[in-house]
Amino acid sequence: DVKVTQSSRYLVKRTGEKVFLECVQDMDHENMFWYRQDPGLGLRLIYFSYDVKMKEKGDIPEGYSVSREKKERFSLILESASTNQTSMYLCASSRETQYFGPGTRLLVL
Amino acid sequence: AQKITQTQPGMFVQEKEAVTLDCTYDTSDPSYGLFWYKQPSSGEMIFLIYQGSYDQQNATEGRYSLNFQKARKSANLVISASQLGDSAMYFCAMRGPFDGYNKLIFGAGTRLAVHP
Repeated sequence: DVKVTQSSRYLVKRTGEKVFLECVQDMDHENMFWYRQDPGLGLRLIYFSYDVKMKEKGDIPEGYSVSREKKERFSLILESASTNQTSMYLCASSRETQYFGPGTRLLVL
Repeated sequence: AQKITQTQPGMFVQEKEAVTLDCTYDTSDPSYGLFWYKQPSSGEMIFLIYQGSYDQQNATEGRYSLNFQKARKSANLVISASQLGDSAMYFCAMRGPFDGYNKLIFGAGTRLAVHP
C-alpha cells in the first residue's frame, strides 16, 4: 500500500512565525504535491516537485516555498505565517494516481 | 482552460439506496483522465476510481462506478447500496494530457450524508 505521511495533524502558530510542514512517501514516486483546501474552493495546488531539488509553482504559490532534498520528502514552508494561511494542507505523491497524506489543519492566530 | 464542476454542494441518501454524484468537466484536450476521491471527516483523501478518456467501458470498483458520457463531458460517480460509512465529501478531479507531472484540477466537492 502507498503510504504518505505528514508531520502534524494539527498545528497552531502565531502570525509572523516560520512554519514547516513535512511530507514523506514510501513508494519511490517522482512527483509530489502540496495543496491547500478551503471550504467551497476544493483543493488548490500550491507547489509541486517532479524530482529531487526540482519544483514548480502551482496556482497559489504566494507566501509559500518548498524544499525537496530527498526523493521521499517534500516540505512546505510558510516564511511568515499570516491569518489567511489558516487552512487544511494536503500532501500527495504520484506516479500516475495521486495518493494523499492525512492532512494538516493549520491555525494561524 | 480545464475546469471541473460539481453542482451539488450536498446530497442525502437512504442507507442501501444508490446515489449519483454529478461531475462535469471542460477541456479541449483529447487525452485526459478523471478521478474521484472520498474525504471522510478525518481529512484524508482516498482514491476511489479512475476513468481514462480513451477507455471504452465505464470504470467500476466494487460499489463505485463511473458513468462516463464523453459527448456530454460528464463523469458522474454512482455509489450502489449506500452505507453509513459512505458519508463524506466527494471530489471529482481531472488530469490533463500526460506531461509527466500528473497534476490534477479538483471540483469544489459534494458532501454526501447517508441516513439509516
